[in-house]
Amino acid sequence: GQQVMQIPQYQHVQEGEDFTTYCNSSTTLSNIQWYKQRPGGHPVFLIQLVKSGEVKKQKRLTFQFGEAKKNSSLHITATQTTDVGTYFCAGFSGAGSYQLTFGKGTKLSVIP
Amino acid sequence: ETGVTQSPTHLIKTRGQQVTLRCSSQSGHNTVSWYQQALGQGPQFIFQYYREEENGRGNFPPRFSGLQFPNYSSELNVNALELDDSALYLCASSWRGAETQYFGPGTRLLVL
Repeated sequence: GQQVMQIPQYQHVQEGEDFTTYCNSSTTLSNIQWYKQRPGGHPVFLIQLVKSGEVKKQKRLTFQFGEAKKNSSLHITATQTTDVGTYFCAGFSGAGSYQLTFGKGTKLSVIP
Repeated sequence: ETGVTQSPTHLIKTRGQQVTLRCSSQSGHNTVSWYQQALGQGPQFIFQYYREEENGRGNFPPRFSGLQFPNYSSELNVNALELDDSALYLCASSWRGAETQYFGPGTRLLVL
């Protein structure tokens, strides 16, 4: 079945440093979604990318979808303590697919 | 907040018991998906309900079952609980055909 892998599993950064997490799927995705889960919380939807090569920005967050629609990345510029949490990518494998497959996430710690 | 509610918030059961978890979807959403999130892992798809019928299932045994009601709320039932069933159970609601899912706060189940 479809597998979604994320690296790194953990990342510790000094406040103000940049952070990037990478996501790779074993199959081509119809779209990719990113979620953030704060400690003790639930996943919160951040963004969805649909088109090959798509790049979207949300303030200090930049999301990219690969040309082959099998990989994606999330880059945070100048991290802040509010960025702490686990970032998950998740994808549907095809049009009409109902199963959202999540990666294991990247846990981000920000040292003040 | 997403408008998706779940009850109870926490639950402790013993092996072999049965449990029912409840989810009220966001207003206007007709599809509910259930996920299991073990500690340190990404959410894993259990199943999805649309129009009161199971619309797809992940790799979970038949002792995981569900219902969806005419008002689109849903229940997850787990029979013969095992220690490995200890996890955060998340429901997510969406509008059929729209792929963005909105997660509830989850139910933390501990099986002793």
